[in-house]
Amino acid sequence: DVKVTQSSRYLVKRTGEKVFLECVQDMDHENMFWYRQDPGLGLRLIYFSYDVKMKEKGDIPEGYSVSREKKERFSLILESASTNQTSMYLCASTTLRQYQETQYFGPGTRLLVL
Amino acid sequence: GENVEQHPSTLSVQEGDSAVIKCTYSDSASNYFPWYKQELGKGPQLIIDIRSNVGEKKDQRIAVTLNKTAKHFSLHITETQPEDSAVYFCAASTGAGGSYIPTFGRGTSLIVHP
Repeated sequence: DVKVTQSSRYLVKRTGEKVFLECVQDMDHENMFWYRQDPGLGLRLIYFSYDVKMKEKGDIPEGYSVSREKKERFSLILESASTNQTSMYLCASTTLRQYQETQYFGPGTRLLVL
Repeated sequence: GENVEQHPSTLSVQEGDSAVIKCTYSDSASNYFPWYKQELGKGPQLIIDIRSNVGEKKDQRIAVTLNKTAKHFSLHITETQPEDSAVYFCAASTGAGGSYIPTFGRGTSLIVHP
């Protein structure tokens, strides 16, 4: 079974703190994604990466950065956390193999910024 | 870019009834349409998908239909059970040679009353 794990299920941080969210997948997938999930807004893409050290902005990249130093690991960084970044963060991965577009999601990290 | 609209945002049914969730998309180049189910405290998980060369697909109690001309697709769940209660997301992407980057609908919260 594909497994996508996220470093924390719940996090509480203070405004201005630097926050690291980590994601690891065990299926040798090329693509990895970070989404933000808010009630009524669905899943919004923050950043994605299609290879090591490669990154592309999604729909809402402001206030976030990412790092992909190894194929299996994709990190989301909040340089200076703000209260409007309180949300559920979901990591996902996919392969680029044809006809295998399924996204595999981690369990999510619920972040509260005070 | 692609825009996916999903309705309704909330759907409440009695156990044993059918449930239908509808999505429309804007980009005629989209050719892959997955549906994800998100149970409480978990990440979304693929339950069924359909490609643009197929009009309908069934898997036990769930089915998906696609109308390419009208650019809409629907999820049908028959004989609903309490364990079907979850948030359902539709998505559209250009898979199979495309970017594999899905655009998600805003989600439908399905509540099945025993």
